[in-house]
Amino acid sequence: KQEVTQIPAALSVPEGENLVLNCSFTDSAIYNLQWFRQDPGKGLTSLLLIQSSQREQTSGRLNASLDKSSGRSTLYIAASQPGDSATYLCAAPNDYKLSFGAGTTVTVRA
Amino acid sequence: GAVVSQHPSRVICKSGTSVKIECRSLDFQATTMFWYRQFPKKSLMLMATSNEGSKATYEQGVEKDKFLINHASLTLSTLTVTSAHPEDSSFYICSAREAGGSYGYTFGSGTRLTVV
Repeated sequence: KQEVTQIPAALSVPEGENLVLNCSFTDSAIYNLQWFRQDPGKGLTSLLLIQSSQREQTSGRLNASLDKSSGRSTLYIAASQPGDSATYLCAAPNDYKLSFGAGTTVTVRA
Repeated sequence: GAVVSQHPSRVICKSGTSVKIECRSLDFQATTMFWYRQFPKKSLMLMATSNEGSKATYEQGVEKDKFLINHASLTLSTLTVTSAHPEDSSFYICSAREAGGSYGYTFGSGTRLTVV
């Protein structure tokens, strides 16, 4: 069974600082890994989807890397803004279902 | 991109009544949809997998008679919370994966259910 862990659980940074969010998974035989953002009381917004054949994906200020051999993915957010404050979740497939980490709650201070 | 619409966003109901939540894939066909429950400050807990045209597959510990799932078409799945009790109050989220696509998952905006 796929188990996903996210560290740290919470992060508070001043505006402009770069963010590094970590995700580890136990079953490296994944076909992709997905990062999501969740605002309080809202659903999940997909940020990046990395296929198993890729080592990273980029979208604007966001960059996600994937190292299957070590069972790790990292989400980098450059030049953080207060609007980046949210909970970030990584999810890896467990057969056809998704296994989620507990999330990293980010607060960007103005 | 793929869009999943979930309705209603909030619902308050009385104990003993039933509530239906709809999940629609707007611009793609979803043979499989997923229903999650999220407790405050916790991650998502998968409740069941909804398969178009067949019975849903429930996760261990989820009461299938309380949480009825119907996936009658390739774009619509419904979750009905039957005989709701206050302990059923929670945030429910659906998700779908586009068949034959990039295999990423798209989530609805969630439904906040409060049972009084």
